Amino acid sequence: DQQVKQNSPSLSVQEGRISILNCDYTNSMFDYFLWYKKYPAEGPTFLISISSIKDKNEDGRFTVFLNKSAKHLSLHIVPSQPGDSAVYFCAASVRDKVIFGPGTSLSVIP
Amino acid sequence: NAGVTQTPKFRILKIGQSMTLQCAQDMNHNYMYWYRQDPGMGLKLIYYSVGAGITDKGEVPNGYNVSRSTTEDFPLRLELAAPSQTSVYFCASSPRSSGYEQYFGPGTRLTVT
Repeated sequence: DQQVKQNSPSLSVQEGRISILNCDYTNSMFDYFLWYKKYPAEGPTFLISISSIKDKNEDGRFTVFLNKSAKHLSLHIVPSQPGDSAVYFCAASVRDKVIFGPGTSLSVIP
Repeated sequence: NAGVTQTPKFRILKIGQSMTLQCAQDMNHNYMYWYRQDPGMGLKLIYYSVGAGITDKGEVPNGYNVSRSTTEDFPLRLELAAPSQTSVYFCASSPRSSGYEQYFGPGTRLTVT
């Protein structure tokens, strides 16, 4: 049973445009949602998070939106840059556990 | 400040062999985690620890064991390696639980043949 889903395995976006990565979850007990970025042959690095009591969090070019009624969150990257090309993982936490989605590979085309 | 370190970087095991993947962090974090990532898949939690002497199972603990005798170290033991354990293993640490960012090591690529 996949509790955190990222239904788009890959996404291509032109440099300077907006990238929107989506994530759905099934467990209403999740209290935080996080996004991680991963380059090949490296460990994931933290990008941005949002508490379940909020609906938006912004950090520079990155904004995460949470729709609790739809159990859906999205990561917006504006403007997209070639260095943003990586795999993005959505993750959700409850108490001491963190559950990761399968990831979306983003390619930003110059 | 090295962050989270993992050794070895690569390892090839024969079926039935055992090994220990090492993980250490120098940030004095209480929380530590072990994940595996299979090709095209997300990270699956194997085991985690909320402090020295305390460990608990994650999503996929079968075939693995852990111990946490110090705050710094969190080794993962594979007993009787099987081809299904071929994966990339990541260790992570965090100063707090639930919602706080985790710091990941560079990973260990393990092949069981």
